[in-house]
Amino acid sequence: DAEITQSPRHKITETGRQVTLACHQTWNHNNMFWYRQDLGHGLRLIHYSYGVHDTNKGEVSDGYSVSRSNTEDLPLTLESAASSQTSVYFCASSDDRGSETQYFGPGTRLLVL
Amino acid sequence: GEDVEQSLFLSVREGDSSVINCTYTDSSSTYLYWYKQEPGAGLQLLTYIFSNMDMKQDQRLTVLLNKKDKHLSLRIADTQTGDSAIYFCAERHSSASKIIFGSGTRLSIRP
Repeated sequence: DAEITQSPRHKITETGRQVTLACHQTWNHNNMFWYRQDLGHGLRLIHYSYGVHDTNKGEVSDGYSVSRSNTEDLPLTLESAASSQTSVYFCASSDDRGSETQYFGPGTRLLVL
Repeated sequence: GEDVEQSLFLSVREGDSSVINCTYTDSSSTYLYWYKQEPGAGLQLLTYIFSNMDMKQDQRLTVLLNKKDKHLSLRIADTQTGDSAIYFCAERHSSASKIIFGSGTRLSIRP
């Protein structure tokens, strides 16, 4: 069955380190998204991509970067982790047809000490 | 700008109906969604409605859309303990693939 996976599921890192969160989908979806979820803020869009080599900034993109070298993967990099980036991160994907529902991964819980 | 608002908490008695409300600001929204998030999991789509519809029913779920007031609601009939979760309202404009999410409503069920 097609799916979307994230790794690692849990990560503890130190302030200033570079961290990369992986997202992999097997639906062959063009669109991929990264969100962070924090209490009181719901889901906030970090970066998104509409296809290979396409990347766009979301509402909270500072301190994060993404690259899209193939259809299946959209890794999220924290260039220099900060305590404010402690959060739960969700990856999602969608296709270009119909209701364009987004399918979500299980999430990565990141703690920056 | 785009904004989606929901109340943060709702508590209902088991067996009663739950009604979760949402308001949005983008009058050009084409699709409106309800997602469910169980503890420790990602979001799962429950249902969606096109902006040209007033109501959609799917088993115990009823979605009502008042486009004039930009108000969306989700009614869950005969609420069960398994319905405990956070429910997110979301909207999308037809010209964009981005979905704007509300902050989520935490539904708790009391015996």
